[in-house]
Amino acid sequence: DVKVTQSSRYLVKRTGEKVFLECVQDMDHENMFWYRQDPGLGLRLIYFSYDVKMKEKGDIPEGYSVSREKKERFSLILESASTNQTSMYLCASSNYPRGTGMDYTFGSGTRLTVV
Amino acid sequence: QQPVQSPQAVILREGEDAVINCSSSKALYSVHWYRQKHGEAPVFLMILLKGGEQKGHEKISASFNEKKQQSSLYLTASQLSYSGTYFCGTENNQGGKLIFGQGTELSVKP
Repeated sequence: DVKVTQSSRYLVKRTGEKVFLECVQDMDHENMFWYRQDPGLGLRLIYFSYDVKMKEKGDIPEGYSVSREKKERFSLILESASTNQTSMYLCASSNYPRGTGMDYTFGSGTRLTVV
Repeated sequence: QQPVQSPQAVILREGEDAVINCSSSKALYSVHWYRQKHGEAPVFLMILLKGGEQKGHEKISASFNEKKQQSSLYLTASQLSYSGTYFCGTENNQGGKLIFGQGTELSVKP
């Protein structure tokens, strides 16, 4: 089974801190995604990547950046954390070729609290 | 554009049936269905690609209408293990980027 591992289950950070959320997948998947999950809003796409060193903005990229230096690792960066970024963050991966019906595998999530 | 899911929440007794709908204003490339139990990662249930398609088994199945703008998830003879939040995810084109609905919280009571 594909495993998507997020480095932290819970994080508490202060306003203004730079925050790194790490995600690693172990099945050589091409595509990786970062979502945030908030009650009543579902999962909203922040950034995604179809290849190493490649990134594309999702629906809510403001205040975030990403890094994909290796195929298996996709990092989400909060440049200056704010309280409105308190949320559950979910990483997912899927196989190439994209859009042909390959399902996503999600990590267990990182619950980030910014105080 | 985020698909619209309905209902937002549903409470069932064991053995009852439920239908969850997912609608888009435009024709879609595909619809995915996921279930997330509390505190866990969303888990893939199924994907529909063709207009008019129906798939799944007798307990959990889904349909995709001919216009490819609406999908429904059918939960039959519900069990306690069906409890969780159900999400539909939609692709507008063959791009692999899923946009998820707001979710439907399903609670099955004994």
